[in-house]
Amino acid sequence: NAGVMQNPRHLVRRRGQEARLRCSPMKGHSHVYWYRQLPEEGLKFMVYLQKENIIDESGMPKERFSAEFPKEGPSILRIQQVVRGDSAAYFCASSHYRGNTEAFFGQGTRLTVV
Amino acid sequence: KQEVTQIPAALSVPEGENLVLNCSFTDSAIYNLQWFRQDPGKGLTSLLLIQSSQREQTSGRLNASLDKSSGRSTLYIAASQPGDSATYLCAVSGGNNDMRFGAGTRLTVKP
Repeated sequence: NAGVMQNPRHLVRRRGQEARLRCSPMKGHSHVYWYRQLPEEGLKFMVYLQKENIIDESGMPKERFSAEFPKEGPSILRIQQVVRGDSAAYFCASSHYRGNTEAFFGQGTRLTVV
Repeated sequence: KQEVTQIPAALSVPEGENLVLNCSFTDSAIYNLQWFRQDPGKGLTSLLLIQSSQREQTSGRLNASLDKSSGRSTLYIAASQPGDSATYLCAVSGGNNDMRFGAGTRLTVKP
């Protein structure tokens, strides 16, 4: 039973390009969460999704950022027209149920904008 | 809005010492609290999960307590080892299981 899989592990983009980050939850998990971690800081909640639905996107920047979790395939975090300030580690977590359950994290995608 | 604070931000101890990491949160209406370990440049490893109805959880040399009414949790590490060196993060979950994290405590255990 593979854990949460994120790819790519490292991503380099030039300013203005698009970044697409993928997250495959653990088998049987239908809840996915994205977090961003800046250097020397804790994780900041971005968005919570269930299959085909965005439940809470209160932590997502209003522009350039979007997320989806289609019926088939991984969850995608998409950043359009990246800027240097988007450089960070992006972590995905998944859980089985909503509420009182343990969440498991992927290894993260480290985005560098040059 | 839930705010999570971890004290101290950094801690350095000699090998063999027992130590306590602190986590406080502002909204006591939580579903659970989870302690994670993060090694440099790596992902998060779950250490302990405490449900809101529980007072503590133990795993090996680790013991985590939860006082929901006062908004506090502690992670106790017994007989620390150099391999325990890492950043320790606590996270509280509300009704959506969307976790709010503290900034972490960076622990260094010196041989």
